[in-house]
Amino acid sequence: GAVVSQHPSRVICKSGTSVKIECRSLDFQATTMFWYRQFPKQSLMLMATSNEGSKATYEQGVEKDKFLINHASLTLSTLTVTSAHPEDSSFYICSARAEDRYGYTFGSGTRLTVV
Amino acid sequence: AQKVTQAQTEISVVEKEDVTLDCVYETRDTTYYLFWYKQPPSGELVFLIRRNSFDEQNEISGRYSWNFQKSTSSFNFTITASQVVDSAVYFCALSEGREYGNKLVFGAGTILRVKS
Repeated sequence: GAVVSQHPSRVICKSGTSVKIECRSLDFQATTMFWYRQFPKQSLMLMATSNEGSKATYEQGVEKDKFLINHASLTLSTLTVTSAHPEDSSFYICSARAEDRYGYTFGSGTRLTVV
Repeated sequence: AQKVTQAQTEISVVEKEDVTLDCVYETRDTTYYLFWYKQPPSGELVFLIRRNSFDEQNEISGRYSWNFQKSTSSFNFTITASQVVDSAVYFCALSEGREYGNKLVFGAGTILRVKS
């Protein structure tokens, strides 16, 4: 149990366009979802925390207007990178947890390349 | 604020050697959770262990073992008789507080290279 599906696994987009990444909890209801970004050879940095039905809480230094997070249901959260630029190229990973269990289930990640 | 330090950037060993990955954490909470994850080249995170702050018992799982010492704020990870398949980046992480789902903060990671 506790599977999180993240799509797409890889995406290449042109500079200035927007990209949406989806994160779905397949067999549990994800009360809270987390979005991380990982640059090459670096650690995972938390971007934001979202609870179902409420606005996401962004970490310091993360532009909320650029990285739009929607957690409209208990099984789906989306991260939209708006007006992407080459410096946004990174590995994005979502994580989800359920109300009735402890633990963080991670998606398989999305490798974004902005050209 | 919570912080995790993995001082070893990269470790190279020869197959069958034992290797210990260090993790030192900082927190002001008395209740917290510590984790280790493995990240192979494919990128996905593989959960290895979770330990809460009230459980200082060391744990062994096959070739893996963990040494949790609150006195030194350390949660070290040892791989016995390493194998090439153990090559990956290993992350130590910390979550503070009693509330389920508090954010998870990662250390910088240690790259482990196991050579045959």
